[in-house]
Amino acid sequence: QQQVKQSPQSLIVQKGGISIINCAYENTAFDYFPWYQQFPGKGPALLIAIRPDVSEKKEGRFTISFNKSAKQFSLHIMDSQPGDSATYFCAASLAYSGAGSYQLTFGKGTKLSVIP
Amino acid sequence: NAGVTQTPKFRILKIGQSMTLQCTQDMNHNYMYWYRQDPGMGLKLIYYSVGAGITDKGEVPNGYNVSRSTTEDFPLRLELAAPSQTSVYFCASSYRIEGTEAFFGQGTRLTVV
Repeated sequence: QQQVKQSPQSLIVQKGGISIINCAYENTAFDYFPWYQQFPGKGPALLIAIRPDVSEKKEGRFTISFNKSAKQFSLHIMDSQPGDSATYFCAASLAYSGAGSYQLTFGKGTKLSVIP
Repeated sequence: NAGVTQTPKFRILKIGQSMTLQCTQDMNHNYMYWYRQDPGMGLKLIYYSVGAGITDKGEVPNGYNVSRSTTEDFPLRLELAAPSQTSVYFCASSYRIEGTEAFFGQGTRLTVV
């Protein structure tokens, strides 16, 4: 049972365009939704995160949009650059529930290629 | 500041062999995790630990064991390696604070032949 579904599996975007990656979750108890960026041969690194009490969070060119009623959230990368080419993972966890472990449930990842 | 360090970076094992993947962190994090990453499958949690002496199973624990004798170290043991354990293994750690970032190591690429 996949608790976090991510799409698309791969994405090709022209330099300067907008990259959009979508995720849907099933467990309504999730209360923390981070996005991780992974370059080849490296471990994932936190890019941006959101809690479900806000509908949008922006950091530079990266924006998370969150729709609690639809149980969906998405990552938008504005003015996409070749240096953004990487694999992006959405994730969810019970970070604030007191469940204790803050373990992350990951989507399957989206390989983004930004072409000049 | 080294962060999360994993060794070795690469390893080839024969079926039935055993090995230990090492993970150490120097950030005094309480929580540590082991994930495996398979192509197109994301990262799946193998084991986690909320502090020294405390470990628990994740989503895919079969064929693995862990221990946590110190805050810094969280080794992952593979007993009787099988081809299905061919994967990239990531160790991660985080503070015991709500919504905190998980820091990942650079991974160990393991091939079982």
